[in-house]
Amino acid sequence: DTAVSQTPKYLVTQMGNDKSIKCEQNLGHDTMYWYKQDSKKFLKIMFSYNNKELIINETVPNRFSPKSPDKAHLNLHINSLELGDSAVYFCASTRGQGEQYFGPGTRLTVT
Amino acid sequence: SQKIEQNSEALNIQEGKTATLTCNYTNYSPAYLQWYRQDPGRGPVFLLLIRENEKEKRKERLKVTFDTTLKQSLFHITASQPADSATYLCAPTGEGGKLIFGQGTELSVKP
Repeated sequence: DTAVSQTPKYLVTQMGNDKSIKCEQNLGHDTMYWYKQDSKKFLKIMFSYNNKELIINETVPNRFSPKSPDKAHLNLHINSLELGDSAVYFCASTRGQGEQYFGPGTRLTVT
Repeated sequence: SQKIEQNSEALNIQEGKTATLTCNYTNYSPAYLQWYRQDPGRGPVFLLLIRENEKEKRKERLKVTFDTTLKQSLFHITASQPADSATYLCAPTGEGGKLIFGQGTELSVKP
């Protein structure tokens, strides 16, 4: 069984569109994250949720809005997509502050 | 600001040798540090976690050291194999327990 899953795996869209990426974990973890990995491979945290509550909100444009309907799901909605949003987005989860389990990533391409 | 540097972007070694990867951090004192492996097109996979009061941690052919005075962690793979070829990411904890990732070192083990 997949521990952390993301959909879609690939997302190609035009500038100005709104899109969502979904993440689910079946590990029973209480903390979930969104990371962005750019073309230079830097992996940067964007958001963290603990039991549906926003814990970490890095300096991310407010076009990005995470939503956690329950502690097993953390979705990412992006409004008015820009070229610079093109990257691979990873969801991750953890129990406490230990090892994190990452999803397979969603490659977003904005044209 | 908090900064992490991994010794080199790429490291090439011969099969059977020991690979040593370096991670240096500045401007903070992480309570613990994690190492991850990332293969192309996949999410990072947790390898080892070492706490500030631990000098060394081992797992099979992997060894991690953590020197809080030098602000440095070393990651060793002994008896390296071509299957060890991947990008290795260092991740000390930052404020609020969040992981701050280095840019990664791409290890290539030649047969």
